[in-house]
Amino acid sequence: GQQLNQSPQSMFIQEGEDVSMNCTSSSIFNTWLWYKQDPGEGPVLLIALYKAGELTSNGRLTAQFGITRKDSFLNISASIPSDVGIYFCAALNTGTASKLTFGTGTRLQVTL
Amino acid sequence: DADVTQTPRNRITKTGKRIMLECSQTKGHDRMYWYRQDPGLGLRLIYYSFDVKDINKGEISDGYSVSRQAQAKFSLSLESAIPNQTALYFCATSFAGSSDTQYFGPGTRLTVL
Repeated sequence: GQQLNQSPQSMFIQEGEDVSMNCTSSSIFNTWLWYKQDPGEGPVLLIALYKAGELTSNGRLTAQFGITRKDSFLNISASIPSDVGIYFCAALNTGTASKLTFGTGTRLQVTL
Repeated sequence: DADVTQTPRNRITKTGKRIMLECSQTKGHDRMYWYRQDPGLGLRLIYYSFDVKDINKGEISDGYSVSRQAQAKFSLSLESAIPNQTALYFCATSFAGSSDTQYFGPGTRLTVL
């Protein structure tokens, strides 16, 4: 089945650094979502993007819906230890048969 | 209280056994989903339901069945469990009127020996 190409797969960063990750697809989507998953928990929605070119922030997180509708980016500024986890992008085309397609995840680890 | 709950949270079973995983939600959403998560593969859709009488196969439905007993409840069954069904299972819900943003339960860790 189709999946989104998410990169990087994993990253180690120092506390205080900024983080960038991205997600690309060969198909067009009209909604992009970013989730974070903590160990032993389900994914939690961070940011939802509904319009091509849209830039949305949630605290230290900023995400953009690519203008081509085939990609999205997530940036985390001034990382802190609780940012550790797996970040997933997901996309869908809303409608009667809307189904989420997920990226393979970016594992973020923060060193003090 | 959690909006989406799953039971059990952990289960160990043997090959050939029948297993049922339960999902309940208090969000009032009409759509419910079952996903499977394996290391390095992200989440893959097993089944989904847009209403009580609506059941649809997802990407990897073989070996699974579901029942939507009420708007708030969606159960996943493994009729005869096999070891490669060992995985994390997540239930999710969404509301068609809110651009279908999905909200996930805490997951069930299933091990088939």
